[in-house]
Amino acid sequence: AQSVTQPDIHITVSEGASLELRCNYSYGATPYLFWYVQSPGQGLQLLLKYFSGDTLVQGIKGFEAEFKRSQSSFNLRKPSVHWSDAAEYFCAGTTSGTYKYIFGTGTRLKVLA
Amino acid sequence: GAVVSQHPSRVICKSGTSVKIECRSLDFQATTMFWYRQFPKQSLMLMATSNEGSKATYEQGVEKDKFLINHASLTLSTLTVTSAHPEDSSFYICSARGERSYNEQFFGPGTRLTVL
Repeated sequence: AQSVTQPDIHITVSEGASLELRCNYSYGATPYLFWYVQSPGQGLQLLLKYFSGDTLVQGIKGFEAEFKRSQSSFNLRKPSVHWSDAAEYFCAGTTSGTYKYIFGTGTRLKVLA
Repeated sequence: GAVVSQHPSRVICKSGTSVKIECRSLDFQATTMFWYRQFPKQSLMLMATSNEGSKATYEQGVEKDKFLINHASLTLSTLTVTSAHPEDSSFYICSARGERSYNEQFFGPGTRLTVL
């Protein structure tokens, strides 16, 4: 069955530290993958997406993600976290033709001053 | 480009009343629209998929008579929560994709529904 898994429910990092949020997928074909950020009471903001090509994807707000087929992963990274990055992060995937997204359960990021 | 709006952003209603939420694609034609529901501190749950001019396809466990979806034009879809009850209180998010969107959905800002 197709799935998107975010193993970490909560992550706490200190401001200025590096960040990596994990996302694993299970699809029969190469999926299209997305990372979104959601602040409390707000909608989703797209951070970055992977469709094909270069497996290292650059996004907004200094985020990047790397598609690793061998590990079925699409982890989100940021070299130096800012207090404003505290939010909920969702990984999502879809495949050609279905158009439906499968969302991970989300990772809540807390940033310590 | 690819902006999706929702109206209203917040709505409070009494139990037993019906509430309509609008989802509009502002700068593209949305061939497919999706409606999601999100409970506090949880992920998005797909409720239904609608194609312009066709009946919506509901996900398993979603009551089609409770959540009426209309996708009458290429820029507008509506979700009507009929005879709302407190357990229908939630954050409702729509998204849309156009013919040139490939596999990407564009999300609206969401509507917070509170049923008293």
